[in-house]
Amino acid sequence: SQQGEEDPQALSIQEGENATMNCSYKTSINNLQWYRQNSGRGLVHLILIRSNEREKHSGRLRVTLDTSKKSSSLLITASRAADTASYFCATDFKAAGNKLTFGGGTRVLVKP
Amino acid sequence: NAGVTQTPKFQVLKTGQSMTLQCAQDMNHNSMYWYRQDPGMGLRLIYYSASEGTTDKGEVPNGYNVSRLNKREFSLRLESAAPSQTSVYFCASSYLSSYNEQFFGPGTRLTVL
Repeated sequence: SQQGEEDPQALSIQEGENATMNCSYKTSINNLQWYRQNSGRGLVHLILIRSNEREKHSGRLRVTLDTSKKSSSLLITASRAADTASYFCATDFKAAGNKLTFGGGTRVLVKP
Repeated sequence: NAGVTQTPKFQVLKTGQSMTLQCAQDMNHNSMYWYRQDPGMGLRLIYYSASEGTTDKGEVPNGYNVSRLNKREFSLRLESAAPSQTSVYFCASSYLSSYNEQFFGPGTRLTVL
């Protein structure tokens, strides 16, 4: 499968700690995106990083992309209880054309 | 500006029944998508429409049909529902295909008995 795969599948941290999750994929991409899904809700876009970019920041979020290792990481700094959600990477494979492929997600629990 | 709206929010069907899930967006987006999400899993693409007048199969199209009614609306039809189609269905839209972020609707939770 070309699907992006997140690691770990689940993560439990204390409020204030940092949370890091990784996404690996198998073939060349145009871009990679990260989404958040709160329980019972639709997905919300967090960050898009293009294949020629190595790092992007958005508020407390930091995303890195290593195309040589075919992997990306999402770091949430100073986590809050409201960050409790599932996080998905979505890859736009060059061969796929106009489609995103979502990974299985990382479930993050931030304990107050 | 409502974003992406989906109806209904919940639906229970019996095996063999048909239904249409409706999706509309008011962001003037060109591309629209239908996904399904099974418990504990990521999203799988059912069908998508890169632009008005075009539709293409995604990863799991069997048992579904779609209609891109106009630029705003993209419907998903189950002709003869099966228990394997029990899932949460999400509609999404984006300005230009996968080069841009996708905006998601709230989902339709479908149970097929």
